[in-house]
Amino acid sequence: GENVEQHPSTLSVQEGDSAVIKCTYSDSASNYFPWYKQELGKRPQLIIDIRSNVGEKKDQRIAVTLNKTAKHFSLHITETQPEDSAVYFCAASRTSKAAGNKLTFGGGTRVLVKP
Amino acid sequence: DGGITQSPKYLFRKEGQNVTLSCEQNLNHDAMYWYRQDPGQGLRLIYYSQIVNDFQKGDIAEGYSVSREKKESFPLTVTSAQKNPTAFYLCASSPRGLNTEAFFGQGTRLTVV
Repeated sequence: GENVEQHPSTLSVQEGDSAVIKCTYSDSASNYFPWYKQELGKRPQLIIDIRSNVGEKKDQRIAVTLNKTAKHFSLHITETQPEDSAVYFCAASRTSKAAGNKLTFGGGTRVLVKP
Repeated sequence: DGGITQSPKYLFRKEGQNVTLSCEQNLNHDAMYWYRQDPGQGLRLIYYSQIVNDFQKGDIAEGYSVSREKKESFPLTVTSAQKNPTAFYLCASSPRGLNTEAFFGQGTRLTVV
């Protein structure tokens, strides 16, 4: 089955700096790579996702890159703000027309943005 | 609020008792999932269901059971065989199809004493 590794486990940055989180996956057939943000005691919420036919995607201060050959993908947050403090999870799945979206998650990165 | 509801938010049970966690969605999604989250860790898949009356074991199914009698509902039973049941349980749903987003419920925190 799929295995997703995520690094670092904790990340402390100064407000305004950039944060980068990296993930690797093992199943070359995985084709969908979402990133979730989870605040304490709350549900994970999708912040950005990327499909396997795309190398990079950007949404305001958030960007994700995917390297299919190396089987790794990364989340980049620029101009960090205190409200970016949360736990971030990467995930991978092998979606198909007939199946749902069975996600395998990385272990999470706790991001702390210091004012 | 996202269309997927878990209840209750907090649940306390005595050791040795079975307990059932509720998950209901009104998103008309075919697929539903149960994940377990332990403190400081990622989400691990317990069971999933692609369609009514069908479900498959995930990575940590031992000590858990599910049913999928209705499209909207996917209850999870934590049995007395689960050795360490105290955790945060998250239910999710998604449409079937390529690259579809999974939506999560707000979670149930189960504490076994």
